[in-house]
Amino acid sequence: KQEVTQIPAALSVPEGENLVLNCSFTDSAIYNLQWFRQDPGKGLTSLLLIQSSQREQTSGRLNASLDKSSGRSTLYIAASQPGDSATYLCAVLDYQLIWGAGTKLIIKP
Amino acid sequence: DVKVTQSSRYLVKRTGEKVFLECVQDMDHENMFWYRQDPGLGLRLIYFSYDVKMKEKGDIPEGYSVSREKKERFSLILESASTNQTSMYLCASTASTTSSYNEQFFGPGTRLTVL
Repeated sequence: KQEVTQIPAALSVPEGENLVLNCSFTDSAIYNLQWFRQDPGKGLTSLLLIQSSQREQTSGRLNASLDKSSGRSTLYIAASQPGDSATYLCAVLDYQLIWGAGTKLIIKP
Repeated sequence: DVKVTQSSRYLVKRTGEKVFLECVQDMDHENMFWYRQDPGLGLRLIYFSYDVKMKEKGDIPEGYSVSREKKERFSLILESASTNQTSMYLCASTASTTSSYNEQFFGPGTRLTVL
């Protein structure tokens, strides 16, 4: 059974730093992996989707990588800003979306 | 732009009431989903639908039912609301669940409180 883990559960860094969020999964037979952002009390916003045949995707200051063989994905955020503070979730598509528990990110001004 | 809308952002109901949560998507997606999200438990799939009038149970269907009479609309029904159904409810849609390039898009969520 597919399991998705996100470590750390929470992360606090000063503004301006580059940072990496981690996502690992147990079964490499996935269709894709998505990273989402969730602000408190709000819905989920899709940030990046990496297809199973791809290695990485970029959008602005965000870069997501995928290594299926090791069951890992990372979300790299460059030059972090207070507005990046949110919970970041990853999910793998394995017929259904299987979710990680999320990393709560706080960017300190 | 894909848009998924939910009928209410906040809802307060009493124990035993019948509750309807509505979700509408405007991208002609085949698949629609209802999740609930609780602190410490993450997102859990309640029901999903891959076509009109078709439905499949997710991980936690007990106490819920769904209806999909039109492609764009997927309703979640709490037949007799209970306090343990107080939660954030999220609707999502996607064109395909077996394609590597299809994203899931989410609505803004409905925060339901059952008193």
